[in-house]
Amino acid sequence: EAQVTQNPRYLITVTGKKLTVTCSQNMNHEYMSWYRQDPGLGLRQIYYSMNVEVTDKGDVPEGYKVSRKEKRNFPLILESPSPNQTSLYFCASGQGTGLAYSNQPQHFGDGTRLSIL
Amino acid sequence: GQSLEQPSEVTAVEGAIVQINCTYQTSGFYGLSWYQQHDGGAPTFLSYNALDGLEETGRFSSFLSRSDSYGYLLLQELQMKDSASYFCAVRDSPSSASKIIFGSGTRLSIRP
Repeated sequence: EAQVTQNPRYLITVTGKKLTVTCSQNMNHEYMSWYRQDPGLGLRQIYYSMNVEVTDKGDVPEGYKVSRKEKRNFPLILESPSPNQTSLYFCASGQGTGLAYSNQPQHFGDGTRLSIL
Repeated sequence: GQSLEQPSEVTAVEGAIVQINCTYQTSGFYGLSWYQQHDGGAPTFLSYNALDGLEETGRFSSFLSRSDSYGYLLLQELQMKDSASYFCAVRDSPSSASKIIFGSGTRLSIRP
């Protein structure tokens, strides 16, 4: 089954304690992305990756890191989490966003709800 | 700055038709997408418009006017299961290095 898998689904942690949210896709997609969703603000892109070892900042990258060492995995790293990073996070993947793939949808994971105390 | 404007809430009656509008102001434009999200769920893709005009997929249609920086999602024969939030999203570049910007979403409530 084609899917994007995020772990953990829920996490409560404390300020300053490094954490990693994993994301894996089994569709051989080139494009992967992380979003955070907050009430009234919709989905805001944190980072995206066009392929292995190629990443770029979205609209809200501060306080986050990513890596793309393998095509299927795109972990989100919070080196020193703070309470303003409490949010619902989604990972997504797509065939690509070049013109040839412009009508390909993004497939989203089920989300990770992070609470930073 | 880049922004997409959508109404925050829309209410409609089961069996009716509803239109959700989206106006965008972005540095580049290479396609408007629509996603549906039920409470507690992940966004799922509904439709995509790269060129002006109407795209129809079953009960859902999406329209784009690039000259007006405007699009809409049309839902016909509304069903209770259509109660969800709907997001428009824009790609800002034709290249693979492309940001995707989402609107803040429209919460659609269906009354019996």
